[in-house]
Amino acid sequence: GQQLNQSPQSMFIQEGEDVSMNCTSSSIFNTWLWYKQDPGEGPVLLIALYKAGELTSNGRLTAQFGITRKDSFLNISASIPSDVGIYFCAGPPNFGNEKLTFGTGTRLTIIP
Amino acid sequence: GAVVSQHPSRVICKSGTSVKIECRSLDFQATTMFWYRQFPKQSLMLMATSNEGSKATYEQGVEKDKFLINHASLTLSTLTVTSAHPEDSSFYICSAAGARFIYGYTFGSGTRLTVV
Repeated sequence: GQQLNQSPQSMFIQEGEDVSMNCTSSSIFNTWLWYKQDPGEGPVLLIALYKAGELTSNGRLTAQFGITRKDSFLNISASIPSDVGIYFCAGPPNFGNEKLTFGTGTRLTIIP
Repeated sequence: GAVVSQHPSRVICKSGTSVKIECRSLDFQATTMFWYRQFPKQSLMLMATSNEGSKATYEQGVEKDKFLINHASLTLSTLTVTSAHPEDSSFYICSAAGARFIYGYTFGSGTRLTVV
């Protein structure tokens, strides 16, 4: 089946630092979704990408749909304490297939 | 924006009993609802997909008779964990999608099930 590998698995950064994480797939995706999950909560959609090469921002967050359509990147600038959580990439593996495949997740921790 | 309400947020039940979890789309019609299971420090694993008025489609390895899913209306889906055992303890999350999936999927806040 489809697999989405996220890197890094975890990050420990200081407040104010920029964050970069990526998601790679073994096959082509037509849509990339980035979610954030706080402890004990469901995921919340951050950014959706629909075209190869697309670069989309949402406040301090920027995500890109890789040209090969097998990867995506999420950057967070000037991290703040509320950025702590787990970030998941996800996507429907086939056009018209409504099921989402989730990545392995990147856990972000901010060191005081 | 789209809101999905999931209840209860936490439930503790005795082994052998059944537990029902509700997932409601509050401000849109959810033609499709999904149920996920998440173990600690792991990703979300899809259990089943349900379309309003039809039987749910279960992922490989998910027991249909144990995890009963009902999607009787466009705003409500329920997951019933029957004859629960400690190994069923997990975080269960629903998500709902309207007719246009391209706008993403809205997730409920999850249900922490503990079977003792």
